[in-house]
Amino acid sequence: AQKITQTQPGMFVQEKEAVTLDCTYDTSDPSYGLFWYKQPSSGEMIFLIYQGSYDQQNATEGRYSLNFQKARKSANLVISASQLGDSAMYFCAMNLNFGNEKLTFGTGTRLTIIP
Amino acid sequence: EAGVAQSPRYKIIEKRQSVAFWCNPISGHATLYWYQQILGQGPKLLIQFQNNGVVDDSQLPKDRFSAERLKGVDSTLKIQPAKLEDSAVYLCASSQRLAGNQETQYFGPGTRLLVL
Repeated sequence: AQKITQTQPGMFVQEKEAVTLDCTYDTSDPSYGLFWYKQPSSGEMIFLIYQGSYDQQNATEGRYSLNFQKARKSANLVISASQLGDSAMYFCAMNLNFGNEKLTFGTGTRLTIIP
Repeated sequence: EAGVAQSPRYKIIEKRQSVAFWCNPISGHATLYWYQQILGQGPKLLIQFQNNGVVDDSQLPKDRFSAERLKGVDSTLKIQPAKLEDSAVYLCASSQRLAGNQETQYFGPGTRLLVL
């Protein structure tokens, strides 16, 4: 079974600084996908970025990048030049590429951007 | 492109009452998921549909929860009778497999249920 661990319950970051949110995962399956979602107070889960287990390069989407270290089984999210609107809960998740594609989520990190 | 729609957004009921949630996925998405998110936790899958067939309902408390996806589009999730521990946000998501292995799930705004 897959498992996602997010060890930072909360983080406070100054506006315009970069921030790294930690995520480690565990699976014995060689083919999987890693995802980050943002959940504002409104409750909707917003897809941010995806990394496939066979992707050679780290994924990037605008100000978001995923620092994928396969040997360490880590998939940290990096947000550059943080903005006040980045304040939210952030969830790391994974699924398997073949068979059941259900997402397994971590417990989340609450990010607060300080003006 | 319209996103995943859910209704109602909020619901308050007393224990032992019944409640139903509705979800309309993104047009053309074959796979639909219902997740339960208890306060302070990440979402947990309740049931997954592929078109109108169930792929995974291993985590669905079948003595009180039921779900259907008639015609492979809209879906409803029902709880009968509700318990206090069912208080949570119920999230619906849909996905479509594109070229390669990526299948990204897109979520609706959720339904916040409070059972008193």
